[in-house]
Amino acid sequence: AQSVTQPDIHITVSEGASLELRCNYSYGATPYLFWYVQSPGQGLQLLLKYFSGDTLVQGIKGFEAEFKRSQSSFNLRKPSVHWSDAAEYFCAVGVYGNKLVFGAGTILRVKS
Amino acid sequence: NAGVMQNPRHLVRRRGQEARLRCSPMKGHSHVYWYRQLPEEGLKFMVYLQKENIIDESGMPKERFSAEFPKEGPSILRIQQVVRGDSAAYFCASSPAPQETQYFGPGTRLLVL
Repeated sequence: AQSVTQPDIHITVSEGASLELRCNYSYGATPYLFWYVQSPGQGLQLLLKYFSGDTLVQGIKGFEAEFKRSQSSFNLRKPSVHWSDAAEYFCAVGVYGNKLVFGAGTILRVKS
Repeated sequence: NAGVMQNPRHLVRRRGQEARLRCSPMKGHSHVYWYRQLPEEGLKFMVYLQKENIIDESGMPKERFSAEFPKEGPSILRIQQVVRGDSAAYFCASSPAPQETQYFGPGTRLLVL
């Protein structure tokens, strides 16, 4: 069955430090991969997506992610975190073109 | 271009009542998806609809839950005879076509007393 694993439930980084959020997926076909961000009490905002082509994907707010097929990973990175990046981050895989299977999420805390 | 609209944003129901959640997709989007987020969990797919058709309801509980997306008007997720375990955030997403990016609404937070 399809699944997404985000091994880190919580991550705390200092403002200005670099960030990497891990995501591993299990899916037999070519995956469509997404990262969404959710602020408390809000909906999900798309950060970036991978459908095909260049495996390094640029997104909004200075985020990027790299698709590594050999590792079944799609890790999210940002070189310098801002306090406003504190939120919950969800990795998702598009399955059969229809539904998204989400990871459990990673809560990012930013300390000043 | 307005985003995905959901209403109400918050809904309180007593056990045994009905909950009706509405979702208006983005303009030009004819594909709607419903997801449920239980406390401390990620989002779980419930149902995928196109206008007047249910395409995939593999994530819908077998009883008490139903969804529709009529030719005119918003998509409706209906929960009959709610129980406390139905308390969750329900998110709607829309896309212009299958295998396209899904854009999410702000969600409806359902609380069952």
